[in-house]
Amino acid sequence: AQKVTQAQTEISVVEKEDVTLDCVYETRDTTYYLFWYKQPPSGELVFLIRRNSFDEQNEISGRYSWNFQKSTSSFNFTITASQVVDSAVYFCALEVAYGGSQGNLIFGKGTKLSVKP
Amino acid sequence: DTEVTQTPKHLVMGMTNKKSLKCEQHMGHRAMYWYKQKAKKPPELMFVYSYEKLSINESVPSRFSPECPNSSLLNLHLHALQPEDSALYLCASSQDQHGGTDTQYFGPGTRLTVL
Repeated sequence: AQKVTQAQTEISVVEKEDVTLDCVYETRDTTYYLFWYKQPPSGELVFLIRRNSFDEQNEISGRYSWNFQKSTSSFNFTITASQVVDSAVYFCALEVAYGGSQGNLIFGKGTKLSVKP
Repeated sequence: DTEVTQTPKHLVMGMTNKKSLKCEQHMGHRAMYWYKQKAKKPPELMFVYSYEKLSINESVPSRFSPECPNSSLLNLHLHALQPEDSALYLCASSQDQHGGTDTQYFGPGTRLTVL
């Protein structure tokens, strides 16, 4: 069975602080994909990143960076110099590539990030 | 252009009403999805259409009836809903479902209230 755990329910930071959102996943499949989505108060889920299980390179996109470590089954997300517009719920998700489960995103419970001015 | 549109944005309906939610994408995607999201919870998959055929139905009650008239449109027909069905209904699309895993792009959702 697949599972995604986001242990941090809510995080509150002051603008310009760095913040890391944790994500730990469980799967027995060797081929899988990991995602991060952002959900602002408006409700739309915004795609941030997709990573496959064979690519452990860290990725940086502007103020966002992701650290994928298969050894600890973690896919953590760091926001550098946070801004008020980063306030949202962030979901980590897992999808296996085979076995009839394609299309079935397994979401974590989400981490609500509040960035205060 | 990664846009998925949904109408209406808000919907209030009584338990005896019949209504429909609509979703549209023009990205040439061949897989489309319906999710239900309750407050402070992650989205839960309801249905998946792949090449206009229903491929996944996550044991959703029959009062929810999906329809995929063509590859760009996805509807969710609602009938005899219960107050506990009040939620945010999200539509998503992806390039394909089979042959690999593609990124799902989500619409803004329809906030449904059942009185």
